[in-house]
Amino acid sequence: NAGVTQTPKFRVLKTGQSMTLLCAQDMNHEYMYWYRQDPGMGLRLIHYSVGEGTTAKGEVPDGYNVSRLKKQNFLLGLESAAPSQTSVYFCASTHNPRQGVFYEQYFGPGTRLTVT
Amino acid sequence: TQLLEQSPQFLSIQEGENLTVYCNSSSVFSSLQWYRQEPGEGPVLLVTVVTGGEVKKLKRLTFQFGDARKDSSLHITAAQTGDTGLYLCAGIRAYNTDKLIFGTGTRLQVFP
Repeated sequence: NAGVTQTPKFRVLKTGQSMTLLCAQDMNHEYMYWYRQDPGMGLRLIHYSVGEGTTAKGEVPDGYNVSRLKKQNFLLGLESAAPSQTSVYFCASTHNPRQGVFYEQYFGPGTRLTVT
Repeated sequence: TQLLEQSPQFLSIQEGENLTVYCNSSSVFSSLQWYRQEPGEGPVLLVTVVTGGEVKKLKRLTFQFGDARKDSSLHITAAQTGDTGLYLCAGIRAYNTDKLIFGTGTRLQVFP
């Protein structure tokens, strides 16, 4: 059981370049999330998905796109990277909430992205 | 502005001391979670509180959910170096249970 895995672990991009971050989970979770973490700001939600084939915007979606073609994978794309997107990116997954109870989110180890 | 504000932002203490971390909002949450994150890793859930006024204990950690469900606190008794990390509160809104709203975080350093 690998849990939540993220690739790559580190990446340096030049302004204007594109890249895709991959998140995979083997816990059969319906819900998946992409967050960015910046100093003093906790975790901010970029996009999320409540099931295969669905995506929704979070708090800071501009400059990012996502896809959930398979239940176990959630991809985060940067079409034209900007220095403001320098951050640590975390993927998380969880079971869908039942009767208002939110279950534990399981996080990947993170991807450190630097845009120069 | 962040919906969930944590204080203090940084805390540096000696082993054996007690401390309290606060998580405050002007909004009501149906439930609240606390996570701890160690360097180079993702956050890990510590506890979920769901009832106003609820108190939960996890060994030396005591979590409280405010009566009005707008705030929470984490109290650590006799801190140990292993408690070092980033503590994050995260709330769930009653009308949107699909996602968590994370607080700004409190970075705790416990020195021997």
